[in-house]
Amino acid sequence: QSALTQPPSVSGSPGQSVTISCTGTSSDVGSYNRVSWYQQPPGTAPKLMIYEVSNRPSGVPDRFSGSKSGNTASLTISGLQAEDEADYYCSSYTSSSSLIFGGGTRLTVL
Amino acid sequence: EVQLLESGGGLVQPGGSLRLSCAASGFTFSSYAMSWVRQAPGKGLEWVSAISGSGASTYYADSVKGRFTISRDNSNNAVYLQMNSLRAEDTAVYYCAKGMGGSSWHKNDYWGQGTLVTVSS
Repeated sequence: QSALTQPPSVSGSPGQSVTISCTGTSSDVGSYNRVSWYQQPPGTAPKLMIYEVSNRPSGVPDRFSGSKSGNTASLTISGLQAEDEADYYCSSYTSSSSLIFGGGTRLTVL
Repeated sequence: EVQLLESGGGLVQPGGSLRLSCAASGFTFSSYAMSWVRQAPGKGLEWVSAISGSGASTYYADSVKGRFTISRDNSNNAVYLQMNSLRAEDTAVYYCAKGMGGSSWHKNDYWGQGTLVTVSS
């Protein structure tokens, strides 16, 4: 099964908003609300930012939000801060009882 | 405080075997699913395997099915990944991750720092 499709890179200035898309198929993103988003600064372990499409774990700022429409999920980061610069990955449960990740998106804060 | 500490990584020849361990603390281990996720050098994340909190259910990526085996010891708060018939493409940092429920291995709220596995002759 191919990875979920994410843009390789996005960028924004401090204070702006950016949205990262994650496109799958009807066998994964489109059929299940089991989409998560992870933040991974260079050289560190991933950190859960959003689970089940739009839920934030405790401690994650409300600047981070998630949504889904059809086969595409999205992560929006508002009020960009320098500390948000990292790689972001989406993941989805699949109809094969497996988990699939996106290829990752590098967020640059200008 | 939740802590996950992986060990067992290292250099192994193609066709060889390795057993990774993940020692967990700070939560009721048997109540949570656990997963292994890997990341090849400079590449993205790839899910490898998961196991339910009870250990009764296991799941594998197609790329490792038949070669890797996940298991857990709830009395010792540890999860393992036995890796056989290793290939060069298995070279990666392997992360242990905690699920958010007994069968919720699709959402992982804590991750270890990873252990590097290098498959090379």
